[in-house]
Amino acid sequence: SQQGEEDPQALSIQEGENATMNCSYKTSINNLQWYRQNSGRGLVHLILIRSNEREKHSGRLRVTLDTSKKSSSLLITASRAADTASYFCATDAYNQGGKLIFGQGTELSVKP
Amino acid sequence: KAGVTQTPRYLIKTRGQQVTLSCSPISGHRSVSWYQQTPGQGLQFLFEYFSETQRNKGNFPGRFSGRQFSNSRSEMNVSTLELGDSALYLCASSLDPSDGTGELFFGEGSRLTVL
Repeated sequence: SQQGEEDPQALSIQEGENATMNCSYKTSINNLQWYRQNSGRGLVHLILIRSNEREKHSGRLRVTLDTSKKSSSLLITASRAADTASYFCATDAYNQGGKLIFGQGTELSVKP
Repeated sequence: KAGVTQTPRYLIKTRGQQVTLSCSPISGHRSVSWYQQTPGQGLQFLFEYFSETQRNKGNFPGRFSGRQFSNSRSEMNVSTLELGDSALYLCASSLDPSDGTGELFFGEGSRLTVL
């Protein structure tokens, strides 16, 4: 079964607005990562947050992690049309060394 | 530094045939993992190799197999293809941090169509 569940499944916003995507997972983790995928292409790593961290920033990205609720959120500020893509959270769970479990993803559409 | 290279990028097979996909990781990366992506099931972990050893395997039938060579290049094989095997197969490489799975670097994928 999928470790990560994402919400919403699809999100449509205007350029300049902020986009927030949420991810929930089921078991204890070492870290949680977010990836981006443009249609039919490979995934690109965005950010990694470790289980002992609560918030992390990278450029226009802000990720939070709440291990008590087993959830994470990805915020993209001042979105651009080029941010249009699918976004996936992925967890590296204990006792599952060497693999990530991906959520179903959020399809983000940013309209110019 | 060259990225992860997957070949072939596209291929079409018929049911019952077999297929071999190849992945060359980023230089210096010793971990290679494979994922299957379909619209219905999303991204599903197939297996991961490190130093020629399979460390972890997903819930796929034995028709799916893989291996890793001494230069860290990896191949995966699917035998007796079924229509449901049509998917984008993604390979990813990474360093092997001792504190959990780190950032994965993905190739562009091999898109397999089974007719």
